[in-house]
Amino acid sequence: DVVLTQTPPTLSATIGQSVSISCRSSQSLLHSNGNTYLNWLLQRPGQPPQLLIYLVSRLESGVPNRFSGSGSGTDFTLKISGVEAEDLGVYYCVQSTHAPWTFGGGTKLELK
Amino acid sequence: EVQLVESGGGLVQPGRSLKLSCAASGFTFSDYYMAWVRQAPTKGLEWVASISYDGGSTYYRDSVKGRFTISRDNAKSSLYLQMDSLRSEDTATYYCTTHVMDAWGQGASVTVSS
Repeated sequence: DVVLTQTPPTLSATIGQSVSISCRSSQSLLHSNGNTYLNWLLQRPGQPPQLLIYLVSRLESGVPNRFSGSGSGTDFTLKISGVEAEDLGVYYCVQSTHAPWTFGGGTKLELK
Repeated sequence: EVQLVESGGGLVQPGRSLKLSCAASGFTFSDYYMAWVRQAPTKGLEWVASISYDGGSTYYRDSVKGRFTISRDNAKSSLYLQMDSLRSEDTATYYCTTHVMDAWGQGASVTVSS
């Protein structure tokens, strides 16, 4: 199975600060069809996950544009440009290029 | 509005069975592969099973193969997970989601304990 390693496991930020989360894959996530199926999810406390970014860098409808995704192959990054209070929770990267889907271990974003 | 609503969770003894349901609305259910993802208490997310548009193809993680069965009824816009021979390590909140992960249910809690 593909292993996704997220860093850091915990991130402390002040409101307005910009932060980045890394997701590294044990193998390339480039599919033979040319797409890279790497998504970013946010799970707020007591809530189900919600999709933020799909196909590495595409912003899901309704998600604020302070969120952005980048990367290719095995290295991916989620950036939040100006953290807001509603952004607190656990962020997960997830790949669906290779069966089975696998998730990163999560990055908990908390207020400093 | 897209909605996924799980039901059927609860407390069950090891070795017994439970069936989860997920009712979909607000989108064309038959246009989507569907999946179940679980989350053990205080742990991360783990894919469990997926099913193709018409139910003709199903996929499972190794630890549930032969014990869990994913199915769907497109006429009822519903997804199911039949869980047999349950083990303590199956204790988790189970979420249904689309294969593009753009919609998630609130989750169904399953506790396997004697």
